[in-house]
Amino acid sequence: GEDVEQSLFLSVREGDSSVINCTYTDSSSTYLYWYKQEPGAGLQLLTYIFSNMDMKQDQRLTVLLNKKDKHLSLRIADTQTGDSAIYFCAERPYSSASKIIFGSGTRLSIRP
Amino acid sequence: DTAVSQTPKYLVTQMGNDKSIKCEQNLGHDTMYWYKQDSKKFLKIMFSYNNKELIINETVPNRFSPKSPDKAHLNLHINSLELGDSAVYFCASSPKTTNEKLFFGSGTQLSVL
Repeated sequence: GEDVEQSLFLSVREGDSSVINCTYTDSSSTYLYWYKQEPGAGLQLLTYIFSNMDMKQDQRLTVLLNKKDKHLSLRIADTQTGDSAIYFCAERPYSSASKIIFGSGTRLSIRP
Repeated sequence: DTAVSQTPKYLVTQMGNDKSIKCEQNLGHDTMYWYKQDSKKFLKIMFSYNNKELIINETVPNRFSPKSPDKAHLNLHINSLELGDSAVYFCASSPKTTNEKLFFGSGTQLSVL
């Protein structure tokens, strides 16, 4: 089946690293994504990873993929107040090329 | 210039009414989508069109009817609105059906009273 799960909330101190975790069920997923949603706005693609990769780094963002455990994580280094948002994990199943399945989102809040 | 624009941004209406939400993208993408986000922020695909042709139609009541007059536009018409239709509706587009990336509009907040 197709299901993507994430914890609902994460609170980190400014300057620390944030790690947002996600698990998915469809082992045939070809792409896995992280989207960011700021208040009152649409989702914005942050980064994505092909299923044949283990890791992808893009400036402060590091994505780790463990295909065996169907686990995806997003690490944000040096978290800033502007990183406060909801972060959505998503997958594109091989069986449905035009459909992206989203998790429920993790609300990241930054404390001083 | 806004890449994916949808109107209106807010829509407040009574139960039983019929309403439409419009979406336009100026990115030259072939594929467009409607997603529904509920109050818990859960995001679920409703429809997808590729070059004016319907390719995804999830389990959505037939009160919801998408229309794509051309590949740059995808409108959503909702008949006989119900309280449970209250949500934020997002339009999105992608360059091709393999959709490495989705580009989202800013959403239409629909409140049914």
